[in-house]
Amino acid sequence: QKEVEQDPGPLSVPEGAIVSLNCTYSNSAFQYFMWYRQYSRKGPELLMYTYSSGNKEDGRFTAQVDKSSKYISLFIRDSQPSDSATYLCAGGNFGNEKLTFGTGTRLTIIP
Amino acid sequence: DAMVIQNPRYQVTQFGKPVTLSCSQTLNHNVMYWYQQKSSQAPKLLFHYYDKDFNNEADTPDNFQSRRPNTSFCFLDIRSPGLGDAAMYLCATRGTDSYEQYFGPGTRLTVT
Repeated sequence: QKEVEQDPGPLSVPEGAIVSLNCTYSNSAFQYFMWYRQYSRKGPELLMYTYSSGNKEDGRFTAQVDKSSKYISLFIRDSQPSDSATYLCAGGNFGNEKLTFGTGTRLTIIP
Repeated sequence: DAMVIQNPRYQVTQFGKPVTLSCSQTLNHNVMYWYQQKSSQAPKLLFHYYDKDFNNEADTPDNFQSRRPNTSFCFLDIRSPGLGDAAMYLCATRGTDSYEQYFGPGTRLTVT
């Protein structure tokens, strides 16, 4: 079993829709989580960083962590064609440099 | 703007011919990482430097080496590239006040 699981997609939604991207993880030692956006043939770009359970909002993006069920989500409101990319979730724990990534969900926003 | 820079962006090398990829950063971050990412796969940590301290992942092949001559620069050396080493190589950094990792644009390596 992979430590971090993501549905690879592809996921296609119309412009303006709310997008929900999800990950599950198996490592109960994870203490923080990150969401990255990666455009084709580019490096990952950090979108959100959360330490604890609950919601964190930044503009159109909301990250949600439920440690009891080992489930993390990223919501994108008012989705734009420029949001079309692969979204990677990752987990880590303090004192350990290793950030464990999921394989990513490929998202396409249709104009 | 503070950033992570990788050169070259695209590198073609021959089977068995040593290659060096470079990473520089203007963020003055203490920690620098090298990841390998193959198509449609998760980035895989190869090793990292915490200041001058080198930390190798247990499953990183001996074929991969790294150097960090100063805070700003870090190099990835592949001594004898095989066809299976074709991938995107990502450099990332973080400061000591946070665990957020910031990535460079990557170097896409092709082995012929």
